[in-house]
Amino acid sequence: EPEVTQTPSHQVTQMGQEVILRCVPISNHLYFYWYRQILGQKVEFLVSFYNNEISEKSEIFDDQFSVERPDGSNFTLKIRSTKLEDSAMYFCASRGGAGGKDTQYFGPGTRLTVL
Amino acid sequence: AQSVTQPDIHITVSEGASLELRCNYSYGATPYLFWYVQSPGQGLQLLLKYFSGDTLVQGIKGFEAEFKRSQSSFNLRKPSVHWSDAAEYFCAVGESYYNQGGKLIFGQGTELSVKP
Repeated sequence: EPEVTQTPSHQVTQMGQEVILRCVPISNHLYFYWYRQILGQKVEFLVSFYNNEISEKSEIFDDQFSVERPDGSNFTLKIRSTKLEDSAMYFCASRGGAGGKDTQYFGPGTRLTVL
Repeated sequence: AQSVTQPDIHITVSEGASLELRCNYSYGATPYLFWYVQSPGQGLQLLLKYFSGDTLVQGIKGFEAEFKRSQSSFNLRKPSVHWSDAAEYFCAVGESYYNQGGKLIFGQGTELSVKP
């Protein structure tokens, strides 16, 4: 069964460093998402991406964050200058197409620890 | 704005006992509703979903959920819990333009522990 994959599973970085989290969505899916879950809190939306551009972003997704789909298969989230409060589990999700009956499929997550 | 409330942060049940996890949503129209499960170290796995039609939906692993519009609820049930069901369960609602690729809004999650 096709699945969303994410690398790395765990990333440790120093505050102020840049990190890139990688995701390979399910092939032929059209919509892509990043969510994050700070320890002990709910899963919250960061950004959605469709047709090679951002569809929607939350207020969390400020200028320090960016996304791209560089090669038609990978979907990346970049944090330019990490802060302590960026420590969280980051989930990538993808979805096949428009239509209310479609489902978002989630990857296993990348745990980001900022020291 | 849409919101999802899972009133129970942590529930413990005995193996073999029945289970009900509560979920209430705030949304004006008929929502798109989901239950996901997250096992330790794992991602979010879809258990079941409701879009329209029959208000009782069946999912994987023997789970079911019932949509009750009058109560704005979408509670998850299982008649007999297995030790492997211990995990965190998230209720989510697709926002107003979910069918155009909109986001999911998640509840706080309910952690389920299973006693032998």
